[in-house]
Parts: sequence; C-alpha cells; structure tokens
Amino acid sequence: QSVLTQPPSVSGAPGQRVTISCTGSSSNIGAGYDVHWYQQLAGTAPKLLIYGNSNRPSGVPDRFSGSKSGTSASLAITGLQAEDEADYYCQSYDSSLSGWVFGGGTKLTVL
Amino acid sequence: QVQLQESGPGLVKPSQTLSLTCTVSGGSLSSGGYYWSWIRQPAGKGLEWIGRIYTSGSTNYNPSLKSPVIISVDTSKNQFSLKLSSVTAADTAVYYCARASTLRYVDWYMDVWGKGTTVTVSS
Repeated sequence: QSVLTQPPSVSGAPGQRVTISCTGSSSNIGAGYDVHWYQQLAGTAPKLLIYGNSNRPSGVPDRFSGSKSGTSASLAITGLQAEDEADYYCQSYDSSLSGWVFGGGTKLTVL
Repeated sequence: QVQLQESGPGLVKPSQTLSLTCTVSGGSLSSGGYYWSWIRQPAGKGLEWIGRIYTSGSTNYNPSLKSPVIISVDTSKNQFSLKLSSVTAADTAVYYCARASTLRYVDWYMDVWGKGTTVTVSS
C-alpha cells in the first residue's frame, strides 16, 4: 500500500488529453511538500518529467504539465502520442516517515 | 553531464549482505548541494525509496524496510554504496542509484538516474 495513491491505469486515444491523479495526506502533499513526476518507459530507468509541482526539465515537451491542490496533485498530458505509453510515478516527502515516498504508479495505454 | 552507473553481484544468497556501488562520472560527489540515493523496483511493481546520503555523510533511510540498510560515500573514488543485510527473497529487485536536486533545500527530486542493476536473492 503506497503512501501516495495513483490510479493503476489510464488510457486515451492519440491526440486526446489524459490526467493522472496522485492523492496524499496531511503529512505529505497536504503539508505543502512539492510533488514530482517520473516517466518510466518499458525496460528503462525512470526519467524526471515534472519537478516542484509544475516545472518541466529541459527537453520535456510542454504537452506535459503538473498541478497541485490540497492533498492531491495531477499530471496532465495533452496531444497524446504513442511514445507516451509508459508508467508514471508521483513522488513527495512525508514528514511522518521522514523520507521520500512514491505513488504506486499508473500505466498509461495509448489506444 | 553527470552519469551514474550501478555495479555489484547479481545474485545474493538469503541471509547474506547485498552490496552495490554507484559510480558518478561527469561530476564530483563532493561538490555539494545534492543527495545521493538508492531506489529499488521489484519486477512488475512500483518504485521504493531505500535511503539517501548527503555529501556531508548525513543519511536517512526508509523506516519501512525490513532489512538493515547502510549507505556510505567514498569521495576519493567518486562512488557511493548500498549495503542491505540479512536479505530475503523480498529484496529481489532492480536497484537504481540516483542524484537528488532541490529548489529550496526542502523538497528534493531525482534528476539523474542510473540504468539500474538486477539483484536476485536466491540460494
């Protein structure tokens, strides 16, 4: 059971918009800690996608965006492409555990 | 550009110690301002943070881990290491090392990852 809760899977057709939620609690996201997102393509290491809730590292397309409100955060992907098919993970800090925590991951399928 | 590479035995016997090393290239471990971390991923499952070490040697570990953990750094070799004691089959996973950066020294995110190394715990 992950500290941060994500839907196991989402799907969308090419060109569509999808969102992935990440729900936490008052000891992590709700306490004001930032949320970061990672993309993991099949058989590869995770890659930083969004940091500090809504910042994109250099090279990440602006089709990817992040937001945070209350005890939750969201990753939105617009103009879905086949190459976006991957697992996505959110990450934050939890003050009760005094450490970093990940969501359980969401598998994005492009139909 | 900083790159990380994990190395170590791919097979460890139950109750023994799992030892992995992460070699940093393209940058210095002692330059400061980063955490150096270990994360693992059992086959078909999600990411689990194991622990982190700052350049000063200060460490934090995931309290949920059942096996004792030690992370250390060797600045002379530009490496940091993971030791997981008394391992069981549940410790079988792909192990990643990563560098963590920060915006305000409060929140940290992993911006550089190694490719990962598979460790199997089996007799």
